[in-house]
Amino acid sequence: GAVVSQHPSRVICKSGTSVKIECRSLDFQATTMFWYRQFPKQSLMLMATSNEGSKATYEQGVEKDKFLINHASLTLSTLTVTSAHPEDSSFYICSLEADFDEQFFGPGTRLTVL
Amino acid sequence: GNSVTQMEGPVTLSEEAFLTINCTYTATGYPSLFWYVQYPGEGLQLLLKATKADDKGSNKGFEATYRKETTSFHLEKGSVQVSDSAVYFCALSERWGAQKLVFGQGTRLTINP
Repeated sequence: GAVVSQHPSRVICKSGTSVKIECRSLDFQATTMFWYRQFPKQSLMLMATSNEGSKATYEQGVEKDKFLINHASLTLSTLTVTSAHPEDSSFYICSLEADFDEQFFGPGTRLTVL
Repeated sequence: GNSVTQMEGPVTLSEEAFLTINCTYTATGYPSLFWYVQYPGEGLQLLLKATKADDKGSNKGFEATYRKETTSFHLEKGSVQVSDSAVYFCALSERWGAQKLVFGQGTRLTINP
C-alpha cells in the first residue's frame, strides 16, 4: 500500500497566526487527496477533497478561505489554517486515493491554538 | 444524509476473548463498507472491506459481513490478542467508485494479557 507522511506531527500556535500542514505521498502519485479533522472522541469528518492541479472541493460548512488547500504536485498536498483560533484546535488527517475503494492515511497532525 | 453508528467504547477484554464491535449504517444507494484500524501513533489502516450485500470481508482473523437487511457490518474476532489493542473505525463510501468516506465515531479496544 501507499505510504503517507504528515508534517508536523504536532504544532502549537498563537491565536491569529497561520499554520501549514504538509501531506506527502512517499511512494505513490496521488491525483486525489483528502483532508479530515477529528475532534476528541469523535469521528473523522471530511473537510475537503484535494485534486492535483485544480481547486479543492470543500464539504458543506467548511470555510475555504480559512482552510486553504494546495495540491501542486502528485506527492504533496498542503492545508493552511489561516488566522487560527482555539476552536480550530483539532487533529488533522490526510489521506490519498490509491486503489479502487481504498484510502491510505497519514498519521495525523495535532494542532493546538492558544 | 448517510451516517455510521458504532458501539461506544472503550472496550476492554482479556486475551483470547471473543470480540464483537457493532456497526450500523444509514445510506441511500449501495455503499461499500469498511473497517479501519488505528494503532497508537500511526495512521488509519484498512482492516477489511465489503462492497455488496452478503459479502464477507476478512483479514488478520477479523471478519465482518455486509448485512443489507439489518444495515449492519459488525466486526468480529474469535480470539483477540494484546496486539489488537487499537481504535477501530467503521466507515462507508457514499458513491460507487468515489471514495468519500463517512466514519463512525471509533471504538477504542484494549486487550489485557
